[in-house]
Amino acid sequence: DAKTTQPPSMDCAEGRAANLPCNHSTISGNEYVYWYRQIHSQGPQYIIHGLKNNETNEMASLIITEDRKSSTLILPHATLRDTAVYYCIVRVNSGGSNYKLTFGKGTLLTVNP
Amino acid sequence: ETGVTQTPRHLVMGMTNKKSLKCEQHLGHNAMYWYKQSAKKPLELMFVYNFKEQTENNSVPSRFSPECPNSSHLFLHLHTLQPEDSALYLCASSQIAGTAFNQPQHFGDGTRLSIL
Repeated sequence: DAKTTQPPSMDCAEGRAANLPCNHSTISGNEYVYWYRQIHSQGPQYIIHGLKNNETNEMASLIITEDRKSSTLILPHATLRDTAVYYCIVRVNSGGSNYKLTFGKGTLLTVNP
Repeated sequence: ETGVTQTPRHLVMGMTNKKSLKCEQHLGHNAMYWYKQSAKKPLELMFVYNFKEQTENNSVPSRFSPECPNSSHLFLHLHTLQPEDSALYLCASSQIAGTAFNQPQHFGDGTRLSIL
């Protein structure tokens, strides 16, 4: 399994960009990087995923380094509702055509007014 | 609204009770999952169903019994649970087809289970 390393917590001012880093130095060539977040008392929410190209959707942007050993999730204009635990996950095949998401401890992002 | 609905949202039960958790997905997915999230611990995968067939049991005790009658519904039957089984139980679904193995899982908001 390619493990991920994230800072335990980060702060961001409301309206500013939040840049959440993730290291995955043992990632293999066919493993995707996924980002989820979990707001208190809710289930994890899918944000974005990518293989090697940068990706953007209506929620965030994902920047993956050329060597794929690290990535950054960018929330362009953070709001108070973005306060959550953010998980960076590398997909692992658990057999057949299924896959397992292995959640770590994530980064607690606190957006301050 | 994630497209995955779990009921009940909260459940308190004694150790000798039998109860069931229900999950329904409205996303047209063909795979469903049960996860357990204990306090201050990462999510743990419990079961995987692909096209209604159980394809993974992650060493879960037999007091947890899953059932998947069709690709839209998933149940977790509970009996003679222990206090350490108190946790948030999360259901997820995804689409698995051919080479589309990178599709994300979408989660419900979970059932908060408390064992007395």
